[in-house]
Amino acid sequence: GENVEQHPSTLSVQEGDSAVIKCTYSDSASNYFPWYKQELGKRPQLIIDIRSNVGEKKDQRIAVTLNKTAKHFSLHITETQPEDSAVYFCAASKNFNKFYFGSGTKLNVKP
Amino acid sequence: DAGVIQSPRHEVTEMGQEVTLRCKPISGHNSLFWYRQTMMRGLELLIYFNNNVPIDDSGMPEDRFSAKMPNASFSTLKIQPSEPRDSAVYFCASTPGLKSEKLFFGSGTQLSVL
Repeated sequence: GENVEQHPSTLSVQEGDSAVIKCTYSDSASNYFPWYKQELGKRPQLIIDIRSNVGEKKDQRIAVTLNKTAKHFSLHITETQPEDSAVYFCAASKNFNKFYFGSGTKLNVKP
Repeated sequence: DAGVIQSPRHEVTEMGQEVTLRCKPISGHNSLFWYRQTMMRGLELLIYFNNNVPIDDSGMPEDRFSAKMPNASFSTLKIQPSEPRDSAVYFCASTPGLKSEKLFFGSGTQLSVL
């Protein structure tokens, strides 16, 4: 099955700085890569996703990049704000059948 | 729609007791997933159903765990007997169908086994 690894497990940045979270996957057939944000005590929610036919996708301050050859993808958050503090999960899926999640990154944005 | 509804929100039990977690998916959603979240391993897929039928239960840790979906609006995850290492947050999620992109998560059940 698919194995998704996520780094770092914790990340602390100053407000206004950028944050980057990286994930690798093992199954070259995976073709869909979503990112979920989980605020403290709340449910995970989808924030951005990317399909394998695209190398980069951006939505305001967040962007995701995908390198199919190297089998890794990253989440980039620019101009971080305190409300970005949360746990972020990457995931990989083949044809949307099953979603394999990374172990999560706890992001702390210091004001 | 109220979203995916899970109960209870918190469960504290003693080792050896039976635990039943409940989930009501979003009306009209045909696929339902059970995940377990721990600090060490993040979100692990335990089992998922499509049209009330279990499709893949390879993530169920051992025979102490079982899941059912008797109808389109209700699913249970049962642990019998429970052990301290089962302590985790258990999430249920649903999607409109197997090929859907977005998982809609419930609020989770925080399980503590003493």
